[in-house]
Amino acid sequence: DGGITQSPKYLFRKEGQNVTLSCEQNLNHDAMYWYRQDPGQGLRLIYYSQIVNDFQKGDIAEGYSVSREKKESFPLTVTSAQKNPTAFYLCASSIGRAGANVLTFGAGSRLTVL
Amino acid sequence: GQQLNQSPQSMFIQEGEDVSMNCTSSSIFNTWLWYKQDPGEGPVLLIALYKAGELTSNGRLTAQFGITRKDSFLNISASIPSDVGIYFCAGLPPGGSEKLVFGKGMKLTVNP
Repeated sequence: DGGITQSPKYLFRKEGQNVTLSCEQNLNHDAMYWYRQDPGQGLRLIYYSQIVNDFQKGDIAEGYSVSREKKESFPLTVTSAQKNPTAFYLCASSIGRAGANVLTFGAGSRLTVL
Repeated sequence: GQQLNQSPQSMFIQEGEDVSMNCTSSSIFNTWLWYKQDPGEGPVLLIALYKAGELTSNGRLTAQFGITRKDSFLNISASIPSDVGIYFCAGLPPGGSEKLVFGKGMKLTVNP
């Protein structure tokens, strides 16, 4: 079955460490996205990529970095510069054509900073 | 930037009751989407709406794209315990942007 796989599901990090969250999709979607979710909040866009080797900052990109070397993969690195990284992180993908932008989400990764 | 006001923020209902929630904005949108998120999981698409005035059903769920293109509602009829979760609306603004705007969600609790 086609879908989006995020790993790990749970991750603990010490302050000052960088961590990378994996996101892989086999939907043949062009566009991929990373969102951050905090309790009682909507989804806030961190980064998105509409094509391989290209990505754009979202609304809260500071302290995060991404790469898009393959169509199927869009890893997110939470750097030590992110001051409040504890959150639930969601990866999503879409066909990418304007007007057909229905997002399919992964199951999420919960990051906790100790 | 564009914002979506989703209400209510939470609801506590008895099994069998109907539920209604809506999203409004001061800006127009070309697409409205409704998602449901179970605890600890990613959101799952419930209904997609693409034309102003469109009314779409999916089982016990009914959603409408407001005629002004600035609002949408979702109704759930005859609620069951597995309806618990967070319901999000999302809108795609005009202009060719690929970036959806999300509401803050409505947390639904269903008492058996």
